Amino acid sequence: QAVLTQPSSLSASPGASASLTCTLRSGITVGTYNIYWYQQKTGSPPHYLLRYKSDSDKQQGSGVPSRFSGSKDASANAGILLISGLQSEDEADYYCMIWHNSAWVFGGGTKLTVL
Amino acid sequence: QVQLVQSGAEVKKPGASVKVPCKASGYTFSDYYLHWVRQAPGQGLEWMGWINPDSGGTSYAQKFQGRVTMTRDKSINTAYMELTRLKSDDTAVYYCTRDSEGGSGRFDPWGQGTLVTVSS
Repeated sequence: QAVLTQPSSLSASPGASASLTCTLRSGITVGTYNIYWYQQKTGSPPHYLLRYKSDSDKQQGSGVPSRFSGSKDASANAGILLISGLQSEDEADYYCMIWHNSAWVFGGGTKLTVL
Repeated sequence: QVQLVQSGAEVKKPGASVKVPCKASGYTFSDYYLHWVRQAPGQGLEWMGWINPDSGGTSYAQKFQGRVTMTRDKSINTAYMELTRLKSDDTAVYYCTRDSEGGSGRFDPWGQGTLVTVSS
């Protein structure tokens, strides 16, 4: 079972909100981890969005709009990237990442389509 | 501005080695760890390891240990990632990226990537 699992795709309408999940493998508790989120547009390298550990311990990337935010769902053992007020330019692949067993581990990524 | 510049594409045969450079500018090279991340065509991101440009110390993902070597040349602000015994599934874009906060996962910026194609 992968350390981090993301849905492969998600579609949402312009102006709506999208909630992208990053589920941690059983036995790895989301509460103890910093969850990092990256956005990657076609043909470009990834771009750092934010880090989320808790509401009192989080960080927004430089120039990243506040409509990108992080949270956790402890009951689902998942990190969440919430994008509100979706715009066409938000169409991209989104990756979560954690530090686990002395290595950086990425989720498989979610392709977000805005249509 | 802070920038990481990588070389153009490489084509290698199976069993060969590739050494990918990453030239840093706009900041003090020795102050920030550099990481290498690869992405196979149509696939996700895979972390390979890091190098401390100051000391030359390294740490590699278990998957690549024994095949990857990360080095640096401080005189020209350049880091290198060498991968040996190449296989077809090593075909990927290889990115270098800076750890912007010392031990964090804030990788910013990223190089533009170097496409390495392994084909006979």
